[in-house]
Amino acid sequence: ELKVEQNPLFLSMQEGKNYTIYCNYSTTSDRLYWYRQDPGKSLESLFVLLSNGAVKQEGRLMASLDTKARLSTLHITAAVHDLSATYFCAVEGRYGGATNKLIFGTGTLLAVQP
Amino acid sequence: EADIYQTPRYLVIGTGKKITLECSQTMGHDKMYWYQQDPGMELHLIHYSYGVNSTEKGDLSSESTVSRIRTEHFPLTLESARPSHTSQYLCASSDGTEAFFGQGTRLTVV
Repeated sequence: ELKVEQNPLFLSMQEGKNYTIYCNYSTTSDRLYWYRQDPGKSLESLFVLLSNGAVKQEGRLMASLDTKARLSTLHITAAVHDLSATYFCAVEGRYGGATNKLIFGTGTLLAVQP
Repeated sequence: EADIYQTPRYLVIGTGKKITLECSQTMGHDKMYWYQQDPGMELHLIHYSYGVNSTEKGDLSSESTVSRIRTEHFPLTLESARPSHTSQYLCASSDGTEAFFGQGTRLTVV
């Protein structure tokens, strides 16, 4: 069974600081996604990581993928209040034949304090 | 811009009623998903489909059912709504490269 774990579950950080959110998954994956969710809203796609060693950056966020370690990271540089949201990683895993399911991690609630 | 739509956005309904949550996408994606999410909590996969006439239950047991008669349409039905069904329901579609989400339906069963 494909399991996706994120840590930390909750992160309170000050503006200007750096931090990393971790996403571990249990089986071989074709691709890994990072999403942002604001309270009461749907999910906004941030990054899609397709191969080992992939690194993508957008503004203060940078995501990387290590398929051998089954680990992805979302690094936040010089946090600002607007980054406050819940961040989810999701893994599309192949098992039981050709069937892919998109399974989400537990989410990390990020609160950036002024 | 993702072209995936969910209706209604909000629904308050009485116990025992039958409801259908609609999800449509115009991107021609084969894969579609339904997730259930309580406020501030993780997303649980309840149904998925990889094409017309192909549906599977997800990891979270659900009393809902789905159908996939057309590629673009993936409705979710609750035959008899209960207060325990109160939640947000999110629909997504994927072309295998990227997954896009609808705006969600916030369901309250009273």
